[in-house]
Amino acid sequence: DTGVSQNPRHKITKRGQNVTFRCDPISEHNRLYWYRQTLGQGPEFLTYFQNEAQLEKSRLLSDRFSAERPKGSFSTLEIQRTEQGDSAMYLCASSFWGRDTEAFFGQGTRLTVV
Amino acid sequence: KQEVTQIPAALSVPEGENLVLNCSFTDSAIYNLQWFRQDPGKGLTSLLLIQSSQREQTSGRLNASLDKSSGRSTLYIAASQPGDSATYLCAVNTGNQFYFGTGTSLTVIP
Repeated sequence: DTGVSQNPRHKITKRGQNVTFRCDPISEHNRLYWYRQTLGQGPEFLTYFQNEAQLEKSRLLSDRFSAERPKGSFSTLEIQRTEQGDSAMYLCASSFWGRDTEAFFGQGTRLTVV
Repeated sequence: KQEVTQIPAALSVPEGENLVLNCSFTDSAIYNLQWFRQDPGKGLTSLLLIQSSQREQTSGRLNASLDKSSGRSTLYIAASQPGDSATYLCAVNTGNQFYFGTGTSLTVIP
């Protein structure tokens, strides 16, 4: 297992378009998290899944954002009708809840909305 | 709501120096605390994980301590090297999510 994988690494889109990002967690991990990070700031929580259930969503996650984790494996984060303020690094992390819960992050997807 | 603060925001040291990065948090009800390293434009690399019942954790030249009751953690880096230059983030795990500080940007001058 090579760790948490995120695709694409970079995405440039026009304002108003929809985008979808994918995260493949470490295979035995039951928790998957999405975070957003802007320049000079720490990552901000968006949502997390335990297996296939989405257990918590931040108020940052407006109705334009949706996340899924079908069958408790990979996850997708979709942003509809993108705005310039959505430009950020989107980070995915996974961990095994019930053991040491150490979180491992992917390399992120850099979104630029023009 | 948990708030995490990291001091200093930036630090520049000559190669070989020992240094300490500080992290404080407002709510002591945590599961664990994790220190990460982030290189520019990259994701986060886990450095050390300290469980809430632990006081200290070591990995190579890195040593992290945790004082849960006072809401503080420190990351000690011994004999710093230019390759240590990066942003260091601490994250507090409350069970549902990780709360991050804004990081300390470290530059080690050769």
